Amino acid sequence: DTGVSQNPRHKITKRGQNVTFRCDPISEHNRLYWYRQTLGQGPEFLTYFQNEAQLEKSRLLSDRFSAERPKGSFSTLEIQRTEQGDSAMYLCASSLAQGHGKLFFGSGTQLSVL
Amino acid sequence: AQTVTQSQPEMSVQEAETVTLSCTYDTSENNYYLFWYKQPPSRQMILVIRQEAYKQQNATENRFSVNFQKAAKSFSLKISDSQLGDTAMYFCAFMKGSQGNLIFGKGTKLSVKP
Repeated sequence: DTGVSQNPRHKITKRGQNVTFRCDPISEHNRLYWYRQTLGQGPEFLTYFQNEAQLEKSRLLSDRFSAERPKGSFSTLEIQRTEQGDSAMYLCASSLAQGHGKLFFGSGTQLSVL
Repeated sequence: AQTVTQSQPEMSVQEAETVTLSCTYDTSENNYYLFWYKQPPSRQMILVIRQEAYKQQNATENRFSVNFQKAAKSFSLKISDSQLGDTAMYFCAFMKGSQGNLIFGKGTKLSVKP
């Protein structure tokens, strides 16, 4: 499977715990994006990378959230001290730099904070 | 700030018939892209169709076509010969210039009935 891969598919955690999600993009794609989607809403942009550089972060991304993309390959999104409001689907997508918005999405990680 | 509005939370259509999904957007930009993305019940989002704002000709992809009215800031999606596999959430999205972050609407849930 050469699509965008996200792990885990589901994560249940207790409030206050830290969680980390992983995204493996399509190998030749140099851009990688993180979005958050809650029920009944469209995806909301969180951040994106071009290669290993984090080029933009949304104001939605509080200081409890951190994303990395070491060596411009896979990416991780960590949420520290989780809150119930963090419960959502976290979507990863990748594209070519000249993709002009043609994003390839993963299946997402569903986070439930109890 | 850019906004995307989808005023139809849910729609249904009979198999083989035609349906139109509405989208309006607000921007002061001149250079942008508009998209329709589809999110089937499996939740992996895929690109349906893309329109560059500088192109007057409406984009088409097989059974999918758009009606792009730049002055009215309207971007509707027409699905012809609807198929059961078209059942999904449809999101309209906006991208400024060639930046990577897409701004999504809240989506329209389309059900195709046999």
